[in-house]
Amino acid sequence: GDSVTQMEGPVTLSEEAFLTINCTYTATGYPSLFWYVQYPGEGLQLLLKATKADDKGSNKGFEATYRKETTSFHLEKGSVQVSDSAVYFCALKGSSNTGKLIFGQGTTLQVKP
Amino acid sequence: DVKVTQSSRYLVKRTGEKVFLECVQDMDHENMFWYRQDPGLGLRLIYFSYDVKMKEKGDIPEGYSVSREKKERFSLILESASTNQTSMYLCASTPRLVPGGELFFGEGSRLTVL
Repeated sequence: GDSVTQMEGPVTLSEEAFLTINCTYTATGYPSLFWYVQYPGEGLQLLLKATKADDKGSNKGFEATYRKETTSFHLEKGSVQVSDSAVYFCALKGSSNTGKLIFGQGTTLQVKP
Repeated sequence: DVKVTQSSRYLVKRTGEKVFLECVQDMDHENMFWYRQDPGLGLRLIYFSYDVKMKEKGDIPEGYSVSREKKERFSLILESASTNQTSMYLCASTPRLVPGGELFFGEGSRLTVL
């Protein structure tokens, strides 16, 4: 079945460092791909998405490109801030019409001043 | 803005108790979901519903049931709570037909079963 694999955390960076969180997926057909973020004490909120191959999603300085050839959707940011400290989830929506998302295990990012 | 409201942010229950987790959305979405979030396991789908009185099992339905009597409300029921159901529970909703398929989440209900 469909699945998502993320790099294990926690990831600890200094402020202004470059961030990459790896995400790979297994799916039939052409899934839509998402990154969600969960700040401490809050629910999940959509960070960015891409619905077809070679699309680049971007928001708040974060970017991810849908790479069908490598089945990947890695999250990147050029210069992280303390306020980016959160848990990041990669997810896919498969070809079924139920609307459900399949999530990776989450990666905790801690940014130190 | 879409708002998904979960009635309780924190609950503490005893083993064997019946537990109700309530979720209400205000955007007339057809699809609603209950996920469970555990460290290192991400979010796992318990149940979802695509219409009033309709429900489908997700990946981990054992020990849970759901109720959808009104379009805006989706309840998760633990018939007899056990300690391994201590977790964060997240409700989400989405319209039936939406390009891209984004889910809108509530803030979560953290349940501790003693």
